[in-house]
Amino acid sequence: EAQVTQNPRYLITVTGKKLTVTCSQNMNHEYMSWYRQDPGLGLRQIYYSMNVEVTDKGDVPEGYKVSRKEKRNFPLILESPSPNQTSLYFCASTSIGRASYEQYFGPGTRLTVT
Amino acid sequence: SQQGEEDPQALSIQEGENATMNCSYKTSINNLQWYRQNSGRGLVHLILIRSNEREKHSGRLRVTLDTSKKSSSLLITASRAADTASYFCATALYSGAGSYQLTFGKGTKLSVIP
Repeated sequence: EAQVTQNPRYLITVTGKKLTVTCSQNMNHEYMSWYRQDPGLGLRQIYYSMNVEVTDKGDVPEGYKVSRKEKRNFPLILESPSPNQTSLYFCASTSIGRASYEQYFGPGTRLTVT
Repeated sequence: SQQGEEDPQALSIQEGENATMNCSYKTSINNLQWYRQNSGRGLVHLILIRSNEREKHSGRLRVTLDTSKKSSSLLITASRAADTASYFCATALYSGAGSYQLTFGKGTKLSVIP
């Protein structure tokens, strides 16, 4: 089954404690992306990756890091989380090569930073 | 930056009625996509319309695109209670030089009353 998986689904952590949210897709998609969703603000792109070892900032990259060492994985790293990073996070992927552009979304990770 | 802006922010209709949501954007695009999100869950792709298309249908969905006005509309005909969800438009811009960005609006929350 074609899917994007994220782990963990729920996470409560404390300010400053480094964390990683994993994202994996099984569709051989070149493009992967991270978004955060906050009430009243919609989805905002954090980082995206056009392919392995190619990443770029989205609209709200501050406080986040990403890496793309393998095509299927695109982890989101919060080196020193702060309460303003409490949010619902989504990973997504799409095929740029086949020009389909339809994004497949993961189920979301609800992060609370206290 | 937020590109698409949906209107209205919230819409409540009776089952069987049609629902129309609008999206306006600011810059040039390659395509415009509509997504649906059930409460707190991942987004699901509904339909994509390319910049050289004016209208597209998929089942009970009809999407129009007016690039001169930089606007799009999503029409859901004969609505059902199961259509209750948030709907987002997303504008896509692919530079071909290694950049592809999909920018989401804040969404329209649709409630269909049985």
